[in-house]
Amino acid sequence: DAGVIQSPRHEVTEMGQEVTLRCKPISGHNSLFWYRQTMMRGLELLIYFNNNVPIDDSGMPEDRFSAKMPNASFSTLKIQPSEPRDSAVYFCASSLSTGFNQPQHFGDGTRLSIL
Amino acid sequence: AQSVTQPDIHITVSEGASLELRCNYSYGATPYLFWYVQSPGQGLQLLLKYFSGDTLVQGIKGFEAEFKRSQSSFNLRKPSVHWSDAAEYFCAVGDWNNDMRFGAGTRLTVKP
Repeated sequence: DAGVIQSPRHEVTEMGQEVTLRCKPISGHNSLFWYRQTMMRGLELLIYFNNNVPIDDSGMPEDRFSAKMPNASFSTLKIQPSEPRDSAVYFCASSLSTGFNQPQHFGDGTRLSIL
Repeated sequence: AQSVTQPDIHITVSEGASLELRCNYSYGATPYLFWYVQSPGQGLQLLLKYFSGDTLVQGIKGFEAEFKRSQSSFNLRKPSVHWSDAAEYFCAVGDWNNDMRFGAGTRLTVKP
């Protein structure tokens, strides 16, 4: 079975540009998570969805960040406008439910560099 | 809120030697504890998890972890390290509300 698929794998863009990261969760999973990983802050949960509905977005750093899940098989994380401090690896994960009896399965991440 | 500390940023061990990666957590109730591994260029893979029951948890790839409530620890161990174990290891703690916190990670280097 295909795992969580993220695209692009790498993104390099200039500050001020809009960046869109994409995620396709594992089919049948009803929870989706977006994480950001940096050396300074480690791995941080940004937002998660359950049945396509955002449940907790308290980890979203500021209004420049937004996430959507228009259907069960697709989610986007958008940064507009982007800044150099947004450079990080962004992970998407999915699970069967938000309960911890179901582990989260992670994608390979998108490495974002803002120049 | 819960938090996780991984005291060792970088550990180097020789191939075939035993390994222990430390993880300390802070949480008022019974925690949900996890260890993930991240190989270079890859996403995170779940090694093992602890929710309740037996405090010694077996995971994939020959890893195990022991939950010690009195020490607020959940250390990861492997009796004999292989070169392919070189990676970044993350300890995480979660609560009933699906709020998870990750440690900063420990980078493992394996010497031939």
